[in-house]
Amino acid sequence: NAGVMQNPRHLVRRRGQEARLRCSPMKGHSHVYWYRQLPEEGLKFMVYLQKENIIDESGMPKERFSAEFPKEGPSILRIQQVVRGDSAAYFCASSPLRTSGKVVGEQFFGPGTRLTVL
Amino acid sequence: ILNVEQSPQSLHVQEGDSTNFTCSFPSSNFYALHWYRWETAKSPEALFVMTLNGDEKKKGRISATLNTKEGYSYLYIKGSQPEDSATYLCAYGSSNTGKLIFGQGTTLQVKP
Repeated sequence: NAGVMQNPRHLVRRRGQEARLRCSPMKGHSHVYWYRQLPEEGLKFMVYLQKENIIDESGMPKERFSAEFPKEGPSILRIQQVVRGDSAAYFCASSPLRTSGKVVGEQFFGPGTRLTVL
Repeated sequence: ILNVEQSPQSLHVQEGDSTNFTCSFPSSNFYALHWYRWETAKSPEALFVMTLNGDEKKKGRISATLNTKEGYSYLYIKGSQPEDSATYLCAYGSSNTGKLIFGQGTTLQVKP
């Protein structure tokens, strides 16, 4: 049973380019979360998605960032017109479909994508 | 602003020592408290998910307790081993969306 997959593992972009980060959740998981770790900081929640729906995007920057989790294929975190301050490690996590009223199960993390903006 | 605080920031112990860390979180709107273990160059790995006040969980030499009324959780490691060296993160869930707010972590170094 493969774990959460993220690609690429390392991504270098010049200022103004677009960055696309992909996350394939564990098999059977329908909840995906994106977190960002800026240099010298902890993990910060960005967005929570289910298939074809954004459930909570309270941690997403207002501009240039978007996320999707289509019916088929991986979840994508897209950063348009990257700036140096976007350089960070971006982690994706997934969890299985909740069976009760609360989503309290553990989240399984991918290895992360390290984005460097030159 | 919801804040999760962990202490100490780092810890150096000798092999065989027992140790414990603290996680403080808001006591309102509590849904769940997660503990993760994060080794360098690897992904965070879930240790425990706790939801009820007074919960105690154990996995091998590692255990955790939860006090939701006063907003703290303790993680204990009995007889630390070099392979326990890692950063230990706690994360607070305040809603049923699964959104987690992470602390900065406690980095443990166990010397042989």
